[in-house]
Amino acid sequence: KNQVEQSPQSLIILEGKNCTLQCNYTVSPFSNLRWYKQDTGRGPVSLTIMTFSENTKSNGRYTATLDADTKQSSLHITASQLSDSASYICVVSGLAAGNKLTFGGGTRVLVKP
Amino acid sequence: EPEVTQTPSHQVTQMGQEVILRCVPISNHLYFYWYRQILGQKVEFLVSFYNNEISEKSEIFDDQFSVERPDGSNFTLKIRSTKLEDSAMYFCASTSGQLNTEAFFGQGTRLTVV
Repeated sequence: KNQVEQSPQSLIILEGKNCTLQCNYTVSPFSNLRWYKQDTGRGPVSLTIMTFSENTKSNGRYTATLDADTKQSSLHITASQLSDSASYICVVSGLAAGNKLTFGGGTRVLVKP
Repeated sequence: EPEVTQTPSHQVTQMGQEVILRCVPISNHLYFYWYRQILGQKVEFLVSFYNNEISEKSEIFDDQFSVERPDGSNFTLKIRSTKLEDSAMYFCASTSGQLNTEAFFGQGTRLTVV
């Protein structure tokens, strides 16, 4: 069964500090891995998309890594801001028809001043 | 910037009633999706739609659910006879291509079945 697991479930960091979120997946065959940011009660917003041949991708202060061999990914947030408080969701797409996305449970990040 | 829009933002309905959730995908996109998120749980895939037909559906998407693209702009999800467990946030998404393309999500419709 295709699964995406994330850790930690939640974390609190001080404004200006860095943090790293982890993702493990079992989706196969693998097409791409995405990180989304979801504010409470809102739709997910894409941060990065990586295919199996990419091992790092940045979007501003967000840097995602991918190890397709170990089926692991991480999202690093640099110099956190209060507006980074949200859920960060790892999402994997397989090569099956329909291009459906399999979502992880998310990591809830709270940035405190 | 183009966006996916969903209406209504919140719908309250009585158990057993039919509801229609509406979505306007991004205009040049070809692939459309419905996802749902029960409070406190993961986002779950419901159905994908391409070329006026369902391309994949999950086990959640039973006979109570249907999707339609009635005109060139709207994409709807109908729940024929709502149950309490249908209460969730429903997200519509669209993409321009099938693989490795960014999926844009709407802001969601919060469905509450009472």
